[in-house]
Amino acid sequence: DIQMTQSPSSMSVSLGDRVTITCRASQDIGNYLTWYQQKPEKSPKLMIYGATNLEDGVPSRFSGSRSGSDYSLTINSLESEDTGIYFCLQHKQYPLTFGSGTKLEIK
Amino acid sequence: EVQLVESGGGLVQPGRSLKLSCAASGFTFSNYYMAWVRQAPKKGLEWVATISISGSRTYYPDSVKGRFTISRDNAKSSLYLQMNSLKSEDTATYYCARHKTTFFDYWGQGVMVTVSS
Repeated sequence: DIQMTQSPSSMSVSLGDRVTITCRASQDIGNYLTWYQQKPEKSPKLMIYGATNLEDGVPSRFSGSRSGSDYSLTINSLESEDTGIYFCLQHKQYPLTFGSGTKLEIK
Repeated sequence: EVQLVESGGGLVQPGRSLKLSCAASGFTFSNYYMAWVRQAPKKGLEWVATISISGSRTYYPDSVKGRFTISRDNAKSSLYLQMNSLKSEDTATYYCARHKTTFFDYWGQGVMVTVSS
């Protein structure tokens, strides 16, 4: 199975800060990497797919990148509505596996 | 508007069975692979099952293989998850999700399943 190691597990940042969350894949997954945002008591929302593609309607301050087996979600100029838990998902092969999540809070 | 509405959750004793349903609307259900994903309380996400468009192919992780069965009724735009031999570790919110290629683009609101005596 492909393991997705996500870091950090939580972070407290200030409004306007730049935020970077990372997932490292234990095997090659190409660009089969997706990012989701989850608000409390809500279902996950698709943010980035194909490692770098912004889903329709997602603010342009969000972006995705890849460096080897490391995949990053970056939020430029954090806004209050960006709080929540962020998960990555590898969908290169079954079993599909998620990262453990990053809880993002405002300082 | 894409809508996925789960039902059938509740409290069940260990070893018993439960069947979840997901009613889909707002898109052509028979054109999409579908899936179930779960989330234990205060925990991360775990993919549980995927079914092909026709239902002829199904995929499961080892944690539920042999106990859970995913199925669909395209005429009713409905997805199902039959869960047998339930364990306490199956306690979670279960989400119905639509596949866009191999990832998920829409999720339902979730249904809670509690396995406890």
